[in-house]
Amino acid sequence: EIVMTQSPATLSVSPGERATLSCRASQSVSNNLAWYQQNPGQAPRLLIYGASTRATGIPARFSGSGSGTEFTLTISSLQSEDFAVYYCQQYNHWPPGGTFGQGTKVEIK
Amino acid sequence: QVQLVESGGGVVQPGRSLRLSCAASGFTFSSYGMHWVRQAPGRGLEWVAVIWYDGSNKHYADSVKGRFTISRDNSKNTLYLQMNSLRVEDTAVYYCARDGVPAAIFTSWFDPWGQGTLVTVSS
Repeated sequence: EIVMTQSPATLSVSPGERATLSCRASQSVSNNLAWYQQNPGQAPRLLIYGASTRATGIPARFSGSGSGTEFTLTISSLQSEDFAVYYCQQYNHWPPGGTFGQGTKVEIK
Repeated sequence: QVQLVESGGGVVQPGRSLRLSCAASGFTFSSYGMHWVRQAPGRGLEWVAVIWYDGSNKHYADSVKGRFTISRDNSKNTLYLQMNSLRVEDTAVYYCARDGVPAAIFTSWFDPWGQGTLVTVSS
């Protein structure tokens, strides 16, 4: 099973600053990677699929990049509602639901 | 708008059974594969099961295989998860989620997700 490793575990950022989150796959997943945001007590929300395509309604300050084994989620200017936990998910390999990273918590500095 | 609403969670003793439901609205339910994903308290996300849009294929995580059964009723726009032989480690919020691509032969991303239903397995 592919292992997805996210770094850092926690990222402390000031509002208005840029945040860069990383996700590494233990083998190539091509561009079959998604990013989700989860606020406390809420369900996850899709941000990015296909490594770089923003989901419907997602602000342009969110961008995804990468392919193969190395991926990045960038939030260009953090807003208050962006302080949350972010998960990456590969859907290129078994199991059919893919595998998730362990998450990166973005907290207020 | 597209909406998924889970129900059926609760407190259950180890070894007992529970059935979760997920009512879908705002889209053509019969055109999409559907998933269950769970999240143990304070932990990350774990995919549980998927059923193809037409019910022709079902797959499970190793952790639930042989104990859980996913099903759907396209006439009722409803997804189910029958959970038998429950264990303490099955305690989690269970989310239903729509697959990202309609009528696909491969699974993809999850969008949207329901609000989740909490299952607590405890004696």
